[in-house]
Amino acid sequence: AQTVTQSQPEMSVQEAETVTLSCTYDTSESDYYLFWYKQPPSRQMILVIRQEAYKQQNATENRFSVNFQKAAKSFSLKISDSQLGDAAMYFCAYRSWGSQGNLIFGKGTKLSVKP
Amino acid sequence: DTGVSQDPRHKITKRGQNVTFRCDPISEHNRLYWYRQTLGQGPEFLTYFQNEAQLEKSRLLSDRFSAERPKGSFSTLEIQRTEQGDSAMYLCASSLEQLNTEAFFGQGTRLTVV
Repeated sequence: AQTVTQSQPEMSVQEAETVTLSCTYDTSESDYYLFWYKQPPSRQMILVIRQEAYKQQNATENRFSVNFQKAAKSFSLKISDSQLGDAAMYFCAYRSWGSQGNLIFGKGTKLSVKP
Repeated sequence: DTGVSQDPRHKITKRGQNVTFRCDPISEHNRLYWYRQTLGQGPEFLTYFQNEAQLEKSRLLSDRFSAERPKGSFSTLEIQRTEQGDSAMYLCASSLEQLNTEAFFGQGTRLTVV
């Protein structure tokens, strides 16, 4: 069975600085998807960024980028120029290529942004 | 608002009572998922529908839990004889059938069993 591990329960960053959130996963599959979701307090979870395992190029979405290391089974999220609105729980998630689409989540990292 | 809608947002119930939650997915989405999220944990998959067919159920979904999606539109999740351990946030998500599409989540229903 696949597992996702986020080893940082909480992180803090100064506004305008850069922060990296860690995620490792375990799988025997070669094709899969990885995601970072953001869950602000009392609001719905939204997709931040997605990575297909077959793509070697790291995904980027504006200030958000990932460092995908397939051999090491590592998928970290880098947030550049942090903003107050980035404060939230961040969840790393895994989805099998051939699955029905259900996601396997890590326990999350709570990110605080200091003004 | 054309996002995923869940009702109610909060539910407090006494142990032993039955509760029912509703999820309205994004209208063109044929896939619908239920997840449970307890404090300090990430969401855990409960069950999945494609149109009106319930295609997968997690071992977390005990026989006290039942989910339906009549006509392939909205879905309901019922918990019978609630226990304190059922206290959690219940999240609904929907997506299109294509593999490369994202799941959109609702705001969740927070259940407290007292």
